[in-house]
Amino acid sequence: DQQVKQNSPSLSVQEGRISILNCDYTNSMFDYFLWYKKYPAEGPTFLISISSIKDKNEDGRFTVFLNKSAKHLSLHIVPSQPGDSAVYFCAAMRLGQGAQKLVFGQGTRLTINP
Amino acid sequence: DGGITQSPKYLFRKEGQNVTLSCEQNLNHDAMYWYRQDPGQGLRLIYYSQIVNDFQKGDIAEGYSVSREKKESFPLTVTSAQKNPTAFYLCASSISAPRDSKLAKNIQYFGAGTRLSVL
Repeated sequence: DQQVKQNSPSLSVQEGRISILNCDYTNSMFDYFLWYKKYPAEGPTFLISISSIKDKNEDGRFTVFLNKSAKHLSLHIVPSQPGDSAVYFCAAMRLGQGAQKLVFGQGTRLTINP
Repeated sequence: DGGITQSPKYLFRKEGQNVTLSCEQNLNHDAMYWYRQDPGQGLRLIYYSQIVNDFQKGDIAEGYSVSREKKESFPLTVTSAQKNPTAFYLCASSISAPRDSKLAKNIQYFGAGTRLSVL
């Protein structure tokens, strides 16, 4: 049972335009969500997160939106830059469980074209 | 610099052999994790440890074993019982999650990974 889904395996965007990556989840107990960026043969690096008590969190060019009723979150990157080309994973967890048992989506490969 | 070190970067396993992947962190984190990544799939949790001398199975623990004798170290052994070990293995660490989400700094930091292949 895939509790976190990223239905788009890949996305291609022109440099300078907006990139929108989507993520859906099924477990209503999740209350904290994260986005990670991953380059080939490297470990994921944390990008941005959002708590379920918020519907938006912004950090520079990156904004994450959370729609709890739809169980949907999205990552917006504006403007997109060539260095943003990577695989992006969304992840979800329940707070207060001790260790952070993250559940990851399958990832979306973002390619920024010059 | 603080961080997580995984070694080796590449590892080859012969059939019937056990191999051990190393993970060391100097972030003073209590919790450590092992994930497996297969092509086109997300990261799947193998084992995790909240504190020294304690660890729990994740979603795909069969064929793997771990130990947590020191706070800094969380080695993963891929045993001969794991029939499909070829994958990219990632180690991570974090603070233990606080109950108050407003204070949450719930970020897992990852190592650079070990790619395991079968000869």
